[in-house]
This record gives sequence, structure tokens and C-alpha cells, in this order.
Amino acid sequence: AQTVTQSQPEMSVQEAETVTLSCTYDTSENNYYLFWYKQPPSRQMILVIRQEAYKQQNATENRFSVNFQKAAKSFSLKISDSQLGDTAMYFCAFAEYGNKLVFGAGTILRVKS
Amino acid sequence: KAGVTQTPRYLIKTRGQQVTLSCSPISGHRSVSWYQQTPGQGLQFLFEYFSETQRNKGNFPGRFSGRQFSNSRSEMNVSTLELGDSALYLCASSSTTGDGTGANVLTFGAGSRLTVL
Repeated sequence: AQTVTQSQPEMSVQEAETVTLSCTYDTSENNYYLFWYKQPPSRQMILVIRQEAYKQQNATENRFSVNFQKAAKSFSLKISDSQLGDTAMYFCAFAEYGNKLVFGAGTILRVKS
Repeated sequence: KAGVTQTPRYLIKTRGQQVTLSCSPISGHRSVSWYQQTPGQGLQFLFEYFSETQRNKGNFPGRFSGRQFSNSRSEMNVSTLELGDSALYLCASSSTTGDGTGANVLTFGAGSRLTVL
């Protein structure tokens, strides 16, 4: 069974600085998809970024980018120019296909002013 | 475009009762997935429905069931409630079920917070 591990339960960053959240996963599959979702205190889960395993290029979305290391089964999220609105729980998730996601335990990110 | 709507947002039940939660997906989305979120177990997949058919099921007891209607709205039911069923139940919709062609972006609702006393 696939597993997703987020080793940082909590992290803090100063506004405007850069922070990296770690995620590792375990799978025997070659094709799969990885996601970072954000859950702010309002609880609504929001997609941050999506990566397809067969694509070598790291996905980016504005201030958010990933470092996808397929051989190492690592999928870290970098947030540049952190903003107060980035404060949330961040979940790393894996899917082989379809809509059955396996989530990590989450990392609470606090952005301080 | 309206998002994913879940009702009720909060509810309190007692052990042994049953509960039904509702989810209206984004217009045009035919796939609805359900997830349970608890502090201890995190986010766990319950099941997915697509075109009124259950396409995938997580590792939950038979007390957890669901269905999808022809308008893509979905309901999940939990019978004989236990204290451990207290959780945030999240619904997510997607335009397709993936079906080997790829994993989709899920749009989540705000959740239904169930408290079992």
C-alpha cells in the first residue's frame, strides 16, 4: 500500500521569507500523481500544486514550487515570499490514478509578521 | 460557479444513532469522493461515486455507506454511530473519475463536522 510521510508536524516562517515543507512517499508504481493541498483555519481544502510523476519538470504555481525527486521518492514544497495568508495546514497527497488520494499527516505552517 | 456544498455543516448525534450527510458537487462534475478527517487518523478515503456507481472504496466498516443520485448529488450514511466516528467529513468533486487516465484535481467542500456523544 502506498504511504505518504510528512516529517515536520509544525513549521514557522517570517513573512516574505522562503520555507520548504518535506514529503516522502512509498510506492512500487512508476506512474502516479502527487499533490500539495492547503487547509486554512476555515477548513476548506485547496489545491496548491499537482505533479505528474512521468514529467521531469518540477511544477510551479506562482510563489509555490516543488522539488520532485522520483528516485528518492521525495516531493517537497517551497513557498517563496511567504504571506500571512499562507498560514494553514499543508497536506502532501499521492494518487496512482482516479480520485482515491492517500494523504500525509500534514504540516502546520505559521507565517509570522 | 458554485463550489462544492456540504450540509449540514455541524451536527451532534449520540451513540447508536445514524446520520446522513449531503454533498452537492460543482455543476458538471460527475465524480464525488468522501474523506474522513480525524486528529488521530488524519485524512482517509471513504469512497467514490461516479455516475451513480461506487467506483472505489476505502477500508471502513459496512456502517459507512453512500449513494449518488442522477444529478450527481451524493449522500453518505453512517449507521450505529460510535464515539470514534466523530470527525470532519469532507466531500470532493471532480469532472471525471480518472479510470486509469490520470488522477484528477479534487475540489473540496467545507466539510460536515460530526460530533458523537
